[in-house]
Amino acid sequence: DAGITQSPRHKVTETGTPVTLRCHQTENHRYMYWYRQDPGHGLRLIHYSYGVKDTDKGEVSDGYSVSRSKTEDFLLTLESATSSQTSVYFCAISEILDQETQYFGPGTRLLVL
Amino acid sequence: AQKVTQAQTEISVVEKEDVTLDCVYETRDTTYYLFWYKQPPSGELVFLIRRNSFDEQNEISGRYSWNFQKSTSSFNFTITASQVVDSAVYFCALSIGIGNTGKLIFGQGTTLQVKP
Repeated sequence: DAGITQSPRHKVTETGTPVTLRCHQTENHRYMYWYRQDPGHGLRLIHYSYGVKDTDKGEVSDGYSVSRSKTEDFLLTLESATSSQTSVYFCAISEILDQETQYFGPGTRLLVL
Repeated sequence: AQKVTQAQTEISVVEKEDVTLDCVYETRDTTYYLFWYKQPPSGELVFLIRRNSFDEQNEISGRYSWNFQKSTSSFNFTITASQVVDSAVYFCALSIGIGNTGKLIFGQGTTLQVKP
C-alpha cells in the first residue's frame, strides 16, 4: 500500500465547468503523476511532478493544469471540462529508493456531460 | 519513438489452462525498464514486476512467469494453471532511462477472462 488516495472517486460534471481532482499521499514521495485511462489507449501520462512546485507535461497535457504546493498533494485541474475528458484518472507515485516503479491510486471516474 | 504493443486485445481461457500475454516494445535507449500491471474488475492497478534492460533473466513468481528477450524486444507474461481470480486487464509498460521522470508508456492492455 503506497498510501495514495484520490478524491473525488466519482464525479459527473457539465461541459465548460472547472474540475479539480486531488491526489494525496502520506509517505513523502517526491515523484507524483497523473494519468488518464481510455479504452484502446491504455494509460497516458498527463502531467508529473518531481517536487514541490516542480511539474512538467506529459503526453496528453492539453486542457489540463497541475499544481503541487505541498509534497503530499498533487492537484489536476480541468479549466473548462469537455466531453473528451471523460475518463478514468489515476494518480501515481514513485518511491525515492525505487524511482522507476510507479504505484497507483484507486482512480477517479469522471463523466463530462 | 517509444512504443508498447499488446496485440492480444482479449483472451479467454478455461480455468487451469496456461496462458501467455504478449508484449512487444520499441525503444532506441539502451537503458530502460519494463513492467507488468494488473487491473482487476475492481479497477485498481496492481504492480506485478519490473525488469531492467540489463537483466534478461526470466523470472518466476508462483504461477506467474516472465520471459524477457531483447533480441525480439519482447517481455511476455505467462500464467500457469490459470484461475478465475486471474481475470483482469493486464498492462505492459516501458520506462526509459535511469531516475525515471514519469515516462511510463503503456500498451493498450490485454483483457484476460478465465472461465470456471
